[in-house]
Amino acid sequence: AQSVTQPDIHITVSEGASLELRCNYSYGATPYLFWYVQSPGQGLQLLLKYFSGDTLVQGIKGFEAEFKRSQSSFNLRKPSVHWSDAAEYFCAVGLQGMRFGAGTRLTVKP
Amino acid sequence: DTAVSQTPKYLVTQMGNDKSIKCEQNLGHDTMYWYKQDSKKFLKIMFSYNNKELIINETVPNRFSPKSPDKAHLNLHINSLELGDSAVYFCASSQGTSGEQFFGPGTRLTVL
Repeated sequence: AQSVTQPDIHITVSEGASLELRCNYSYGATPYLFWYVQSPGQGLQLLLKYFSGDTLVQGIKGFEAEFKRSQSSFNLRKPSVHWSDAAEYFCAVGLQGMRFGAGTRLTVKP
Repeated sequence: DTAVSQTPKYLVTQMGNDKSIKCEQNLGHDTMYWYKQDSKKFLKIMFSYNNKELIINETVPNRFSPKSPDKAHLNLHINSLELGDSAVYFCASSQGTSGEQFFGPGTRLTVL
């Protein structure tokens, strides 16, 4: 069965600091992996996705994620966080009927 | 120009009522989905339709009935609403069952 774990419920970083959001997955085959961002009161926006190929994927808004099969991880990173990055971040696995993690809320301190 | 739209955006109703949420996509996709996001932000797939046929039906009470009149629309009808149905409901669409999903803005349902 597919499942996704986001170990951090809430993370606070200072503006300009680097960011890493963790995601671990359980999947029976080659996983399709996604990161979505949800701003308060908004829908979900796709940041990036991994289907196959290069394990380091670039997304929008300066985000990147690295697929590590040996660790069953797909962590999201950004070298320098902006105040506008404050939002809820969801990792998801699968395609039809994606399974989402519980989300990580990112707070950005001035 | 909205790719996936939902109406209404907010829905407040009494327990026991029947209500519908509509979803439309103008992306030409053939697969549509309904997700429920609870108060703790947990997102869960409810239904998936491909070419108007139901392909995923998670463990959802049969008070929830999706209806797909055509490939561009997937409506969600809920009978006998309960307090626990309060949530944000998201519609999504994709091309094929393996395509990237595009989400609508959500419908916040509050049952009093």
